[in-house]
Amino acid sequence: DIVMTQSPDSLAVSLGERATINCKSSQSVLYSSNNKNYLAWYQQKPGQPPKMLIYWASTRESGVPDRFSGSGSGTDFTLTISSLQAEDVAVYYCQEYYIHPPTFGQGTKLELK
Amino acid sequence: EVQLVESGGGLVQPGGSLRLSCAASGFAFSGYWMSWVRQAPGKGPEWVANIKQDGSEKYYVGSVKGRFTISRDNANDSLYLQMSSLRAEDTAVYYCVRAPPTISSLLGDSWGQGTLVIVSS
Repeated sequence: DIVMTQSPDSLAVSLGERATINCKSSQSVLYSSNNKNYLAWYQQKPGQPPKMLIYWASTRESGVPDRFSGSGSGTDFTLTISSLQAEDVAVYYCQEYYIHPPTFGQGTKLELK
Repeated sequence: EVQLVESGGGLVQPGGSLRLSCAASGFAFSGYWMSWVRQAPGKGPEWVANIKQDGSEKYYVGSVKGRFTISRDNANDSLYLQMSSLRAEDTAVYYCVRAPPTISSLLGDSWGQGTLVIVSS
C-alpha cells in the first residue's frame, strides 16, 4: 500500500493569511500514460464527513472557492489556502487513488491563530 | 439533492456480525461506483471496499478480506456491508460514499453522515 504522510500535523494561521499543507507519498502517484497525478484533498469539519476539494492534484471540485489550490507532482504535493477564512477551520486530508487500496494521510488540523 | 443515509451500526461483541445499509436518493444510483470508508476515532479515513455499478466487481482492503462483503440492490437504491468476525480494530464510523463517475472509482464526491460501529465486550 502507498503511505501518505502529511505535514505539519497541526497549523495555526491568522485570518486573511496563507495556509500551506504538505503531503508526501511513499511512491509516485503520477501515471505516465496520461500525465495525471492521482492525488486528492479533502476537508473535514467537526461532526461532518469529509468533503472532496481537489482531485488530479490541482483540479478544484465544483463549488470550491478559488482560494483553495493544489500543486505538486510525483510524490510531493501541497494544498494552499491563499487567504484563510473562519469557515476554513477544519482537518485536511490528502488521498492517493493511484492503486488499490486508496490511502489517506493522517490529517492536518488547521486552526485560527 | 444527493442523499446517502447509513444505518445498522451499534455495539457488537468481538467475533460478532453486523450488517450496514445505505439508502441513496437524489441521483441515479445504478450509474455509480459506491464505496464504504471508515474512520476510527481521531484517525484519518480508511477505504474499506467498493463495488461496480452492476455489482460485477468488488474490491476490499486487506484487513477486511474474507470478513466483510459489499453488495448493492439497484432496484432499491441501496448499498450494504455485511461484517463478520468483527474485531476491536473495526471500531469506527462507517461512511457510504459515491464515486465521481468520470474521474475515479476510488474517490468520494458525496458522503453520508456515517454510522458508528463499536466492537467491544
